[in-house]
Amino acid sequence: GAVVSQHPSWVICKSGTSVKIECRSLDFQATTMFWYRQFPKQSLMLMATSNEGSKATYEQGVEKDKFLINHASLTLSTLTVTSAHPEDSSFYICSARRRGGVTYNSPLHFGNGTRLTVT
Amino acid sequence: DQQVKQNSPSLSVQEGRISILNCDYTNSMFDYFLWYKKYPAEGPTFLISISSIKDKNEDGRFTVFLNKSAKHLSLHIVPSQPGDSAVYFCAATLASGGSYIPTFGRGTSLIVHP
Repeated sequence: GAVVSQHPSWVICKSGTSVKIECRSLDFQATTMFWYRQFPKQSLMLMATSNEGSKATYEQGVEKDKFLINHASLTLSTLTVTSAHPEDSSFYICSARRRGGVTYNSPLHFGNGTRLTVT
Repeated sequence: DQQVKQNSPSLSVQEGRISILNCDYTNSMFDYFLWYKKYPAEGPTFLISISSIKDKNEDGRFTVFLNKSAKHLSLHIVPSQPGDSAVYFCAATLASGGSYIPTFGRGTSLIVHP
């Protein structure tokens, strides 16, 4: 159980275009989803916390107008990279926490990530 | 400023021997620690965790040790197997605020040689 599906797994786009990444919890409801970004040989950097039905909470330094997050249902959150530029090329990973599992000892369930390359 | 540090980017171990992955943290308020394992092109998966009220937690071949005074934890894998080859992330959680969002280290790439 606790499967998180992330789509697409990789995407190549031209500079200036927008890319949408989907994150779905397949067998559980996730009131909270998290979006991370990972640079090569770097840690998972939290970009934003997405709560179902409310606005996402962005970490300091993350442009909310550039990285649009929508969490319309208990099983789906989307991250849209708007007007992508080569510096946005990275590995983006979503994760979800089970509904009712907001405790310190409830681990996150991660998607397989999306490799974004902006040319 | 990294609050969770994994100073060894890689570790190479022979099959059957013990793998020891280390993690240090700077925030003494962290009260729960987790290890995640990540294969290439996949997301991290939860491996094992430990509460700050304990100093050891064991699950099969995996044992996590916590030294609060030193702000240090380690993951021991014994015996190591080739399938354990992956990147291991240490993460720490702060209970205050209620969000329990983990802070990750940079990961240590473990290679277990047959």
